[in-house]
Amino acid sequence: DTGVSQNPRHKITKRGQNVTFRCDPISEHNRLYWYRQTLGQGPEFLTYFQNEAQLEKSRLLSDRFSAERPKGSFSTLEIQRTEQGDSAMYLCASSLVSTGGFNEQFFGPGTRLTVL
Amino acid sequence: AQSVTQLDSQVPVFEEAPVELRCNYSSSVSVYLFWYVQYPNQGLQLLLKYLSGSTLVKGINGFEAEFNKSQTSFHLRKPSVHISDTAEYFCAVLRYSSASKIIFGSGTRLSIRP
Repeated sequence: DTGVSQNPRHKITKRGQNVTFRCDPISEHNRLYWYRQTLGQGPEFLTYFQNEAQLEKSRLLSDRFSAERPKGSFSTLEIQRTEQGDSAMYLCASSLVSTGGFNEQFFGPGTRLTVL
Repeated sequence: AQSVTQLDSQVPVFEEAPVELRCNYSSSVSVYLFWYVQYPNQGLQLLLKYLSGSTLVKGINGFEAEFNKSQTSFHLRKPSVHISDTAEYFCAVLRYSSASKIIFGSGTRLSIRP
């Protein structure tokens, strides 16, 4: 299966700890997106990368959150000093953006974070 | 700004019955429209999309949706549901000029009774 993969699938941590999630996009996809989905809600956009450049960040991405895509392939999302409100499913998606038109985003299975 | 409203948080139906999941959107600019499905413990899968052209769009698993510009709606329908259709369904929009953030509705949980 060459879809988007995310690790770990589940993470339980104590409040105040740091956590890091990894996303591996579909090979050769140049765009990578992070979304957050809380219980009973639809996913909300956090940020996206074009290759290694982070082009847009949502206001949801507080200064405790940092995302990187150092070589334009996989990406990491780190949350420092976690809070209970950070408990959510973190979804990654990737797409191949060429010239104009519509570019479908393919989603990974998500990482479910529980902050105790 | 864009927004998506899914009027029903839960829709219970009997197997082999028809179903309609409602979606209304708000946008001052042109948008693409989507329906995604999320099965338990899985990521999002694109069911169907409206980009342009015919307002009736057919997707996977026998689902279809109709774009109604005057009513700003994009309701999802299936003439006969199966137990395997049990899932969460999300309506979503993407601005033409933006290749970045998809705006999702809050979801409709479809539960199928035998």
